[in-house]
Amino acid sequence: QSVLTQPPSASGTPGQRVTISCSGSSSNIGSNTVNWYQQLPGTAPKLLIYSNNQRPSGVPDRFSGSKSGTSASLAISGLQSEDEADYYCAAWDDSLNVHVVFGGGTKLTVL
Amino acid sequence: QMQLVQSGAEVKKTGSSVKVSCKASGYTFTYRYLHWVRQAPGQALEWMGWITPFNGNTNYAQKFQDRVTITRDRSMSTAYMELSSLRSEDTAMYYCASPQDPEGAFDIWGQGTMVTVSS
Repeated sequence: QSVLTQPPSASGTPGQRVTISCSGSSSNIGSNTVNWYQQLPGTAPKLLIYSNNQRPSGVPDRFSGSKSGTSASLAISGLQSEDEADYYCAAWDDSLNVHVVFGGGTKLTVL
Repeated sequence: QMQLVQSGAEVKKTGSSVKVSCKASGYTFTYRYLHWVRQAPGQALEWMGWITPFNGNTNYAQKFQDRVTITRDRSMSTAYMELSSLRSEDTAMYYCASPQDPEGAFDIWGQGTMVTVSS
């Protein structure tokens, strides 16, 4: 059971816009920034969005992030077949011990 | 470019220990924290702990507190994660990762080390 809650799956057709939600609590998303990772099959995770809505160099602007209160979301516009992957949200958690928490992951299928 | 390269796959017996290495290159090893994250087959990412390469300070997830030890060798720019009392549920891909700043996102990841635990 992951600390952050994501839908297990999402889907869309090429060109569509899809969003993936991530729900947490006051000790993680509510008080820290959210990061998103993309994991292609058989590979290590790759940083997609950091500090809620910032894109690392090389990440297309089709990917965007937002945060409100204890929830965050990742939006992918102009969906492409190569976007088919698992997506994870993550945040630092201030409860008891400072540590990092992840969402359960969302498998995105491009139909 | 900044890179983390991990040691190869391991097959271990239940009750034994495993030690995975993570060698950093392309940046000053002591400037960035080094974390360990694992992923069981078909499961989500799970944070295990971190080390500050500069002074060796560590912080572990409560779940692994009694079984994990993270160390580093500054001369080799290498961090190590040792997990003891292995059980079948520890079968997973183990990743090292480094954040841009102490509480930042992991912008560098190792390629992963598969650890298989069987009786």
